[in-house]
Amino acid sequence: AQSVTQLGSHVSVSEGALVLLRCNYSSSVPPYLFWYVQYPNQGLQLLLKYTSAATLVKGINGFEAEFKKSETSFHLTKPSAHMSDAAEYFCAVTFNAGGTSYGKLTFGQGTILTVHP
Amino acid sequence: EPEVTQTPSHQVTQMGQEVILRCVPISNHLYFYWYRQILGQKVEFLVSFYNNEISEKSEIFDDQFSVERPDGSNFTLKIRSTKLEDSAMYFCASMGLADYEQYFGPGTRLTVT
Repeated sequence: AQSVTQLGSHVSVSEGALVLLRCNYSSSVPPYLFWYVQYPNQGLQLLLKYTSAATLVKGINGFEAEFKKSETSFHLTKPSAHMSDAAEYFCAVTFNAGGTSYGKLTFGQGTILTVHP
Repeated sequence: EPEVTQTPSHQVTQMGQEVILRCVPISNHLYFYWYRQILGQKVEFLVSFYNNEISEKSEIFDDQFSVERPDGSNFTLKIRSTKLEDSAMYFCASMGLADYEQYFGPGTRLTVT
């Protein structure tokens, strides 16, 4: 069975500081990994995805994540936080089960990012 | 840019009533999903739908739930007899062929009183 663990339910950074949101996954087969962002009272927006191509993935709004198989991790980073980055971030995993069972996402618990001026 | 839409944005219903949540997926997508998020908790998978049938469902998706794609554009989630614990945000998502990228709608907040 697949699972995702996000370390830290709340992360607080200063504007301009490095953002690091941690995600570890468990999957018995090669995973596909995603980071989604949710702003208050809005839906989920895809930030970036790893689907077995390059291990360093760049996404929108300056975010990137690195897939590390040996560490079963897919941490999200941004070199310099902006006030507009304040939101909740979800890591999610799926895998290619083939056939019609396709794409079911398993989400982590979410990390709320607060950015201080 | 194409997007997934959901109606209504907020639904209040009494316990035991039936509700239908509606979604319009992106037009050329083939895979459709419902997820829910209880307040303060993580997003949970409910059901996936492909080729006009359920392809996978979670243990949450019991006999009180059903999904339908009644025409070429809508995708609905019906809860036959709502319970207090069904109160949550329900998200619809759709995905094209083989890109693993699910596009989520803005959600329907269901409140059961």
